[in-house]
This record gives sequence, C-alpha cells and structure tokens, in this order.
Amino acid sequence: NAGVIQTPRHKVTGKGQEATLWCEPISGHSAVFWYRQTIVQGLEFLTYFRNQAPIDDSGMPKERFSAQMPNQSHSTLKIQSTQPQDSAVYLCASSRDNSQNTLYFGAGTRLSVL
Amino acid sequence: QQQVRQSPQSLTVWEGETAILNCSYENSAFDYFPWYQQFPGEGPALLIAIRSVSDKKEDGGFTIFFNKREKNLSLHIKDSQPGDSATYFCAASRDSGYNKLTFGKGTVLLVSP
Repeated sequence: NAGVIQTPRHKVTGKGQEATLWCEPISGHSAVFWYRQTIVQGLEFLTYFRNQAPIDDSGMPKERFSAQMPNQSHSTLKIQSTQPQDSAVYLCASSRDNSQNTLYFGAGTRLSVL
Repeated sequence: QQQVRQSPQSLTVWEGETAILNCSYENSAFDYFPWYQQFPGEGPALLIAIRSVSDKKEDGGFTIFFNKREKNLSLHIKDSQPGDSATYFCAASRDSGYNKLTFGKGTVLLVSP
C-alpha cells in the first residue's frame, strides 16, 4: 500500500497562472478530502468527495478554486489565476467507509506563487 | 472564529519528561477528537483518538484526558524521546460518517536530549 500519492511535490507558478494539483487516494477508500496548510492558518478544510460525488466544498474560495474527482483513483484541485496568498501546502487525504473519520494524508504539494 | 484551539504554540521538554499539550473546542456537537502527528515534509498521521463518551484513552506512552463539561482535552506524552519531536494537531468532528475534521493550529514539540 503506497498510501495517498500527491503530485507534484513542489510547484512554482507566476502570479496569474493556473495550478493543477493531483491526488491518488488509497485504493478502496471512498472519501477524499483536500486541506490547505499554512503557518498562520494551520490546517484549513477545503472540500471533500464521497464515492466521487462532491459532498462539502464550504472551505473552497469560490472564484478561483475548483476540485474534481472524475474517477475513484484520482482527484484534482485547480487554482486559476494564482495569487501570492495561495502559497501553501495542499494536502489530500482519503478515508475508508466507516464512522471513525481516520484520515490518511499524503505528503502534500507545496505551491509557491511568485 | 476558531473552533479548535491549541496551546502552547510550541513546547520544549527534556528527554524522559512528560509533555502536556492542550486543546479546547467551541462546538458542543463535536464528539470525536483525534490527535495527529506531523513530521517535516510529511502529511499528518493519526496518533490517538477519543470519543466524548470516554474521559481517558491510553495507547503506549500517549494518553488523552478529556473533560466534556469544560470542553477541553489534553495529550500527555510520557517519557518523551527526541523522536517525538513533531507538530501535534488536535482535531474534532461529529462522529457521524464522513463529517470533516476541524483542526487546531498545532503545537510544535521539541524534545531535547
């Protein structure tokens, strides 16, 4: 079991460019979560999917952020027109179909917007 | 409004001492409280968790003490080792399926040899 795989590990973009982050959840896990981590804000919830369907996107900045889960083996987080304040580590996590809410996190993608 | 608060922000203890990390929460509907441990360059990983029906949970050298009335909990790390140096996050959720975890901002623990 390779765990949750996130690519790329590091991404550098210029202000105004688009960034797409990829996540491969653990096989058999039916829930996928995206979090953003910064020193100032800590771990902020962005969105989650259950069985590929979007369930809660209450943490997503509405205008430039979008997330998809086209199949059970991967999810993407897209940020359009990136801004310096988007610089953060973006963490993907997956979870089994149970009530224990154990999240298995990937190592994250560090996004730097210059 | 921050729903889960942690203190201190950082903590240094000597090897062999007990480290105590504190957490409080706002939402009375929270009933599941995991602690996650994160090392640099890695994602957080579940360390130990407690449900609100219990007031204590032990796993190896890690113990959670939970006070539902006061809406706070603490993580005690007994006989701390340098390898325990990491960031510790307290989290909370309603224990009903896939509800999202709300995290505190973390406590950075340094165990000095």
